[in-house]
Amino acid sequence: KAGVTQTPRYLIKTRGQQVTLSCSPISGHRSVSWYQQTPGQGLQFLFEYFSETQRNKGNFPGRFSGRQFSNSRSEMNVSTLELGDSALYLCASSFSPRDRGFDEQFFGPGTRLTVL
Amino acid sequence: AQSVTQPDIHITVSEGASLELRCNYSYGATPYLFWYVQSPGQGLQLLLKYFSGDTLVQGIKGFEAEFKRSQSSFNLRKPSVHWSDAAEYFCAVGGTARSGGGADGLTFGKGTHLIIQP
Repeated sequence: KAGVTQTPRYLIKTRGQQVTLSCSPISGHRSVSWYQQTPGQGLQFLFEYFSETQRNKGNFPGRFSGRQFSNSRSEMNVSTLELGDSALYLCASSFSPRDRGFDEQFFGPGTRLTVL
Repeated sequence: AQSVTQPDIHITVSEGASLELRCNYSYGATPYLFWYVQSPGQGLQLLLKYFSGDTLVQGIKGFEAEFKRSQSSFNLRKPSVHWSDAAEYFCAVGGTARSGGGADGLTFGKGTHLIIQP
């Protein structure tokens, strides 16, 4: 079974631009979560999508948004990029049946975003 | 709010020696606990998880972890480390709003960087 894939793997943008990152979950997984990893703040939860709906959200500004498609693939968008948005963005998928509580998450390799 | 503390930023261990990485958590209900490993430039690989039941859990690559509710700890252990174990290790706690943990999503510790001496 193929793992979580993320595209692109590397991205360079300039301040003020916007960027879209893509994530394809493991086949059969319905939940996709996004995390930001920086040296200073570590790993932080951005948001989770389940059945095309944002189910949960971390403490990030509205410049960070996402969506999920009917095939469970997800995209994350960051508008008006700032230097501090430079990070590794990780996507994780899980099967996540709601009646079973929390489910383990499987991570992709990440997209390294550099904002100049 | 849930939180995870990994007290050791760096740990250096000789190859073949035993290893213990510490993790303490704060959570309002029964936690779902995880250990992940990250090699440079890579994503996170799940080593093991604790959901319920036996408090000693076995994972991949010879790792194990013990859940101690009284100490709010979930320490990772390995009896004999290999040079390939050098990496960043993250402890994480997860939960759902229904179990009192607040927002879904994993809360990670800051990580422990493991260095293996030959």
